[in-house]
Amino acid sequence: AQSVSQHNHHVILSEAASLELGCNYSYGGTVNLFWYVQYPGQHLQLLLKYFSGDPLVKGIKGFEAEFIKSKFSFNLRKPSVQWSDTAEYFCAVNRAFRGGKLIFGQGTELSVKP
Amino acid sequence: EAGVTQFPSHSVIEKGQTVTLRCDPISGHDNLYWYRRVMGKEIKFLLHFVKESKQDESGMPNNRFLAERTGGTYSTLKVQPAELEDSGVYFCASSLFGRGPDRYEQYFGPGTRLTVT
Repeated sequence: AQSVSQHNHHVILSEAASLELGCNYSYGGTVNLFWYVQYPGQHLQLLLKYFSGDPLVKGIKGFEAEFIKSKFSFNLRKPSVQWSDTAEYFCAVNRAFRGGKLIFGQGTELSVKP
Repeated sequence: EAGVTQFPSHSVIEKGQTVTLRCDPISGHDNLYWYRRVMGKEIKFLLHFVKESKQDESGMPNNRFLAERTGGTYSTLKVQPAELEDSGVYFCASSLFGRGPDRYEQYFGPGTRLTVT
């Protein structure tokens, strides 16, 4: 069955701490990978995406993610978080070369203390 | 360019009533998706339109849910009759249609929070 698993439901960090959010997927085939973010009171926004090529992708606001095919993982990282990064983060996949429906993880709520 | 819009932003109805949610995709986006997030759970796919045709409706929970996209522009999702377990946030997303990778990226609306009491 197709599924996405995010390791942490709620992460609390202090400003300037480093962030790594785990994401693993189970999917019968090649995938596109996404991280979406939902800031308080706002809609889901794309943070970064991986379709093919360099497995290390850079997104907006200093975020990056690394696709490790052998581990079926797409972890999100940021070297130094800010209070404004407080949000809920969602990992998602869909079928490579076809797109279509996204399969989401459960979401990780990140709280950054000033 | 206007983003994906959804109406209403909130709806509170009683069990057994009918509710209709509306989604207006980004202009020119032929792909339109509906998703739902029940509290505490993951965002789940409901269905996918390409223009006015239902491409994939494998996520629709039951026949109380009816989605339409007449004319291939905006879409409506009707729940009739609503049950308590239908409460949640209903998201709409759209993307371009074509052969390139642009079609893989979905743009989301703000969601409609539905509460069934």
